Parts: sequence; structure tokens; C-alpha cells
Amino acid sequence: GDSVTQMEGPVTLSEEAFLTINCTYTATGYPSLFWYVQYPGEGLQLLLKATKADDKGSNKGFEATYRKETTSFHLEKGSVQVSDSAVYFCALSDPGNYQLIWGAGTKLIIKP
Amino acid sequence: GAGVSQSPSNKVTEKGKDVELRCDPISGHTALYWYRQSLGQGLEFLIYFQGNSAPDKSGLPSDRFSAERTGGSVSTLTIQRTQQEDSAVYLCASSFQVGGQGSSYEQYFGPGTRLTVT
Repeated sequence: GDSVTQMEGPVTLSEEAFLTINCTYTATGYPSLFWYVQYPGEGLQLLLKATKADDKGSNKGFEATYRKETTSFHLEKGSVQVSDSAVYFCALSDPGNYQLIWGAGTKLIIKP
Repeated sequence: GAGVSQSPSNKVTEKGKDVELRCDPISGHTALYWYRQSLGQGLEFLIYFQGNSAPDKSGLPSDRFSAERTGGSVSTLTIQRTQQEDSAVYLCASSFQVGGQGSSYEQYFGPGTRLTVT
């Protein structure tokens, strides 16, 4: 079945460092891909999404490109801030399938 | 507009008691989902509603768990005879589903209910 694999955390970086959180997937069809973020004490928020190959989702300085050839959707940010500290979840949905398939989440800690 | 709301935000209960958790989805969203998130863990799917019906209850961990949705809107998750392992954050999400190829069922989450069973 479909699955999503994220890099294990926690990931600890200094402020202004470059961020990459890896996400790879397996799917039978052509899924849509998502990154969700969960700030401490809050619910999940959609950060960005991409619905077809080579699409780039972007929001709040974060970017992720849908790479069909490598079945990946890595999250990147050029210069992180302390306020980016959160747990990041990668997820996919197959067309016509209601259910999101979730990665385990990656905790990001940014130190000043 | 208003987002997904959940109540209560925190619930402490004694082992063996029943609890009800409420979710009020975004107006117009036909799909509603319940998840459980244990401390430091990912999301565990519990149940999905399309309108008032629940085509997928496969994630409910035991028969102590049940959920209903009325009027295609508010949903209640009930846990009977709570156990300590039920302690977790219970998240509700809703989505506006449009069918067909290329549809993306992005889900909008509520803030969650933190349940502690003592």
C-alpha cells in the first residue's frame, strides 16, 4: 500500500541555517503531496502542497518540489528562524481517495 | 471564516469513566476525520465521515470507541470505560471534497482535545 517516509528527528539547527527535511513516498497512482506543520501546543496547519509532478509548493519561505522520478517531496528553507521550531509532517493522497497517508513527523529545533 | 473547533480543549478523567469529545467542522465541508496523536508520535487515523455516514471505521482501536455525526456537521467521539492508554491528543479535521482526477483532499485541523486518563 501507499506509504510516506520522513527523516527521523529531532533536527537541530542554528538560526539562519539551511533546512532540508527529506520525504519519500510510495504510491500506486499519481498522488497529491502535502507538508503540514504543528507548532507547540497547536493543531496541524497545511504548510504547502503540490498536486502533480514538477509542481513546487511554497509558503512562508518553505519550498518543496514534487519529484516523480525520485518519489520525493523534500522540504527546504534557505534561512530558518527560531519561530520555525515545530513538528513537520509529510502526507499524500491518491486521487479519489479521501484518506491522507502520513509520515511519522520530524521535529525541528532552531537555536538562536 | 471560522476554522475547525473542538471542545473541550483539555479533559482529565478517571479510569473507567466515559468521555465525549466534540468537533465542529468548517461550514460546507462534507468530510470529517478523527485522529489520535500520542505524545511524541505521529497521527493515528480513527474514523472518517462523509456526510453523516462513516464508510471507514477501521482505525477505531476497540469497541469502547464510537463516533457519530449529525446533520452533516458536528461530530462526537465517545470513549467508554476509559483506560490510561487512551491518554492522547484527539484531533479532528474536515475537508471539502471535490471528486475526480487531480483532486487533493487537503484537510483542515482543529486545535485538538488533550485527554488525560488518571
